[in-house]
Amino acid sequence: QQQVKQSPQSLIVQKGGISIINCAYENTAFDYFPWYQQFPGKGPALLIAIRPDVSEKKEGRFTISFNKSAKQFSLHIMDSQPGDSATYFCAAVGSGSRLTFGEGTQLTVNP
Amino acid sequence: NAGVMQNPRHLVRRRGQEARLRCSPMKGHSHVYWYRQLPEEGLKFMVYLQKENIIDESGMPKERFSAEFPKEGPSILRIQQVVRGDSAAYFCASSPLGYTEAFFGQGTRLTVV
Repeated sequence: QQQVKQSPQSLIVQKGGISIINCAYENTAFDYFPWYQQFPGKGPALLIAIRPDVSEKKEGRFTISFNKSAKQFSLHIMDSQPGDSATYFCAAVGSGSRLTFGEGTQLTVNP
Repeated sequence: NAGVMQNPRHLVRRRGQEARLRCSPMKGHSHVYWYRQLPEEGLKFMVYLQKENIIDESGMPKERFSAEFPKEGPSILRIQQVVRGDSAAYFCASSPLGYTEAFFGQGTRLTVV
């Protein structure tokens, strides 16, 4: 199975709140899990990534939590800001280096 | 170090014409990937190339679509006899040899009229 399932499809958060986006995968051959941020009219930009040998990775306000046994991982955006409003994609990479993307989450942070 | 460069940014073609999309990877990157993004949808893998080699084209439609990455020059995604359903944003990404971190270009937005 090559699918990566992402939820929710859209998310509205107040400024200062925590945004949480979840992803699940089936293929145990995946060994690299990046998150991309995409603004309208732009290409996806790598935000943060994790490998399955760690359960959590934090970079600034962005944290990835990884649950290998459940085959799930999530992105947490702390102290969400209006400038964080964008579409977020989780992805997974296995052999062959190709990215398999989730369907995306449109995040809106209200001021 | 310039990022991944794609051109043109916008391309309008009439049904039946050919579309050529170009991608210059980041300096030092020898792996190129093409993805298609339909409106309000995620990114779908199309093809993975190295210089002069197609590594994985499992996401490419079987007809009308082709890709190349010559020894010299940019990678080209070619769509022959375009149809309205080909209207989408096409993104190119590149990565260094043996490394999984991929960097994306700004995309080419193809509109078929």
